[in-house]
Amino acid sequence: DVKVTQSSRYLVKRTGEKVFLECVQDMDHENMFWYRQDPGLGLRLIYFSYDVKMKEKGDIPEGYSVSREKKERFSLILESASTNQTSMYLCASSLSPAKPQHFGDGTRLSIL
Amino acid sequence: AQTVTQSQPEMSVQEAETVTLSCTYDTSESNYYLFWYKQPPSRQMILVIRQEAYKQQNATENRFSVNFQKAAKSFSLKISDSQLGDTAMYFCAFDRGGGSNYKLTFGKGTLLTVNP
Repeated sequence: DVKVTQSSRYLVKRTGEKVFLECVQDMDHENMFWYRQDPGLGLRLIYFSYDVKMKEKGDIPEGYSVSREKKERFSLILESASTNQTSMYLCASSLSPAKPQHFGDGTRLSIL
Repeated sequence: AQTVTQSQPEMSVQEAETVTLSCTYDTSESNYYLFWYKQPPSRQMILVIRQEAYKQQNATENRFSVNFQKAAKSFSLKISDSQLGDTAMYFCAFDRGGGSNYKLTFGKGTLLTVNP
């Protein structure tokens, strides 16, 4: 089974901090994704990556950046955290487009 | 741009009964893929079922089946013999299968509660 591991289930940070969310997958998947999940809004794509060092903006990239230095690891970075970035963050990976995405457990991030 | 609409924010069903969750989408693509994902309370999102648009036959996975109407751009999920463990948020998703500006588009979700 594919395993997607997010580094933290719960995280509390302060406004203005630089925040790193880490995601690792163990199935040699090409594609990795970062979503934000908010009640009533569903999942919104922040960034995705289809190869090492490659990244594409999703629907809501503002205030975020990503890093993919190794195939198995995809990091989401909040450059200067703000309270409106309090949310659930989901990481996912897939073998290729049109294949199912496999999700991590999510990180519930609170910015105070 | 693709959009996915789930018109039922919440639904409930009695255990052992059948329930149908609706999903419509908008696209100009002719070939694409549709998914239903399930997210139980405080648990991981998992795939329920996948449909390829070029296949006319509706996908089925045990108690879960879809009614795929390509012309109407409709993709509903039917859950038969509902179980308490089916209580979850269900998301419909559209995948255009690659190409430039590729992404998976999700609906806003339907919260399904199965009552004993």
